[in-house]
Amino acid sequence: ETGVTQTPRHLVMGMTNKKSLKCEQHLGHNAMYWYKQSAKKPLELMFVYNFKEQTENNSVPSRFSPECPNSSHLFLHLHTLQPEDSALYLCASSQDRTSEYNEQFFGPGTRLTVL
Amino acid sequence: AQSVTQLGSHVSVSEGALVLLRCNYSSSVPPYLFWYVQYPNQGLQLLLKYTTGATLVKGINGFEAEFKKSETSFHLTKPSAHMSDAAEYFCAVVAVGAGSYQLTFGKGTKLSVIP
Repeated sequence: ETGVTQTPRHLVMGMTNKKSLKCEQHLGHNAMYWYKQSAKKPLELMFVYNFKEQTENNSVPSRFSPECPNSSHLFLHLHTLQPEDSALYLCASSQDRTSEYNEQFFGPGTRLTVL
Repeated sequence: AQSVTQLGSHVSVSEGALVLLRCNYSSSVPPYLFWYVQYPNQGLQLLLKYTTGATLVKGINGFEAEFKKSETSFHLTKPSAHMSDAAEYFCAVVAVGAGSYQLTFGKGTKLSVIP
């Protein structure tokens, strides 16, 4: 595997379900990100981890819970979601959070549908 | 705060024609600017970036962009469109603050190439 991978690629869940999204980066980076991409809206940064520590939480509802056990893996735990949470969830990584060039490498995303 | 405006959510060009995707930004400090491309069912891929130095930046797949400080613009161009250029394009600016560097994205421009 190379780059940034995400699983599953597609997920359909009910509002009472609990599921998790997984992201893995094979680039030796130290910063990882979760973004939400909804139709006709700019990419929304959700969470940032730098060296496994959460550095940003952009007012994301508590029904989204991130976890970063090490610099290579990032999870997004989902529970009691709403239909408006349906979107493409993108994971990204970069060398670290304080690099002024901050080139981010993106995974292919998980297409989430909440029924 | 930084912001990015992409003019035109959808642009159509004929194959072989000039591609011009517009991006204007606002920034209180010298910006770092990026263009990303997203092909269907894929994550974002970096096309090119401007940090410092030469204002005309060349990227992958024949794309280039010119940083014009006086116009606060960073428009993306390609002399001759190819069918494979059909994708969504995102302009982004780095916001510098508190030792971290957050990417702020525009809403994206979907490029269609007509045979």
